[in-house]
Amino acid sequence: QVTLEESGPALVKATQTLTLTCTFSGFSLSASGMRVSWIRQPPGMALEWLARIDWDGDKFYNRSLKTRLTISKDTSKPQVVLTLTNVGPADTGSYFCARMGSGRSGAPYDFWGRGMLVTVSS
Amino acid sequence: SYILTQPPSVSVAPGQTATITCGGDSIGSKNVNWYQQKPGQAPLLIVSYDSDRPSGIPERISGSNSGNMATLSINRVEVGDEADYYCHVWGSNSETVFGGGTKLTV
Repeated sequence: QVTLEESGPALVKATQTLTLTCTFSGFSLSASGMRVSWIRQPPGMALEWLARIDWDGDKFYNRSLKTRLTISKDTSKPQVVLTLTNVGPADTGSYFCARMGSGRSGAPYDFWGRGMLVTVSS
Repeated sequence: SYILTQPPSVSVAPGQTATITCGGDSIGSKNVNWYQQKPGQAPLLIVSYDSDRPSGIPERISGSNSGNMATLSINRVEVGDEADYYCHVWGSNSETVFGGGTKLTV
């Protein structure tokens, strides 16, 4: 059974660095074809992809946020960590981690975490 | 970067067919995935690779993709189908691209 769960601070102050952890089970990120992304959603708005890390260590970032984002995986734990520097009110929203369980091009996100709401205070 | 265009809203009566479009340049050459999101919940995959349904998704939900438009169809719409729907493709550099979402009102 595949599960993902997001954790981190619910409230951060503007200009601080936000660190979120995705803890997963039911699969290994070292297995060929596995990928985990972070996706966020401002209140009442659309999904916005942030970053992805693949089984082979490749990393991909949203171009408009690339200078502020870092994604990493902990090889000793089933976790993927996202950091977002210099946060502001526009970074308020729900943050989801999601898995791509296939190495096929165009693969979907087949499992999602429940998401967590992060509020940035000014 | 690649852009996906969805209508902001679609309204349909119960029992009718809802059609939600997702436009993109030559989107027919890409694999399109669709997600359903209800308030306060995470998105749920309902169609993958243009027209495949994951286990547990009813047959009245279907997808197609050709030219510059992908389409999600929901037959015999129920009140429980009321949700936001998002299309998703891989961009040219393997980045994830989502459409702006369509709110389905039943």
